[in-house]
Amino acid sequence: DIVLTQSPATLSLSPGERATLSCRASQSVSGYLGWYQQKPGQPPRLLIYDASNRESGIPARFSGSGSGTDFTLTISNIEPEDFAVYFCLQRTGSYTFGQGTRLELK
Amino acid sequence: QVQFVQSGPEVKKPGASVALSCRASGYNFAGFAIHWVRQAPGRRLEWLGWINGGRGDTKFSQTFQGRVTITRDASANTAYMGLSGLTSEDTAIYYCARSRWGIIDYWSPGTLVSVSS
Repeated sequence: DIVLTQSPATLSLSPGERATLSCRASQSVSGYLGWYQQKPGQPPRLLIYDASNRESGIPARFSGSGSGTDFTLTISNIEPEDFAVYFCLQRTGSYTFGQGTRLELK
Repeated sequence: QVQFVQSGPEVKKPGASVALSCRASGYNFAGFAIHWVRQAPGRRLEWLGWINGGRGDTKFSQTFQGRVTITRDASANTAYMGLSGLTSEDTAIYYCARSRWGIIDYWSPGTLVSVSS
C-alpha cells in the first residue's frame, strides 16, 4: 500500500498567520490526493480534492498544490475555527490516509 | 442535503462478528459509491472498502480482505458492512462515506464498535 507521511505532526500558530502542511507519498499518486479537516467528535470534512481543487463551500483561504509524491495544504490568514486536525488521503485504486497534522493555537 | 444514519454502537467479544448499517438520504443512492472507513484510538484512519450503490460491485482493502463484507439494498438507500474475527484492535469509530468519481466527499457521524472480553 502507498504510505502517506504528513509533516509536521503539530503546528502551533496564531490567528491571521499562514499554515503550510505537507503530505508526502511513498510512490506517485499522480494528482489523486485530497485534504480533510476534522474537529473533535465530528467526521472529516472535505476541503481539497485532486490536489488543488477546492470543494464547494470551502473558504478561499484553503488551497492545495502538488503532484506525484509531494503535496501541500496552505491556510492563509488562519481563522479561529481552523484549529483542527488535517489529514491527506490518496485514492489510487486503494485508499490510504496520512497520520494527520494538528493545527493548534499558539 | 446529503445525510447518513448509522446503526447504533456495538460491544462485542473477541472472535465475534459485527454488522453495521448506513442509510443515506439527500442524493441518488445508485449514482454514487459508499465507503467504509474506521478510526481507532491513536491510529490513522483506515479504509476498509467500497460498494457501488447502483451496480453493487465491491473493492476491499487487502488488509481486511476475507474478513469484511459490504453489501447494499439500493431500494432502501442502505449499505451494510460486516467484520468478522474481531479483536481488540478492531475497536474504533466506523464511518460510512459517499464518493463521487472516487472522491470521498460526505461522511456519516460514525458509530463506535468496542471489542472487549
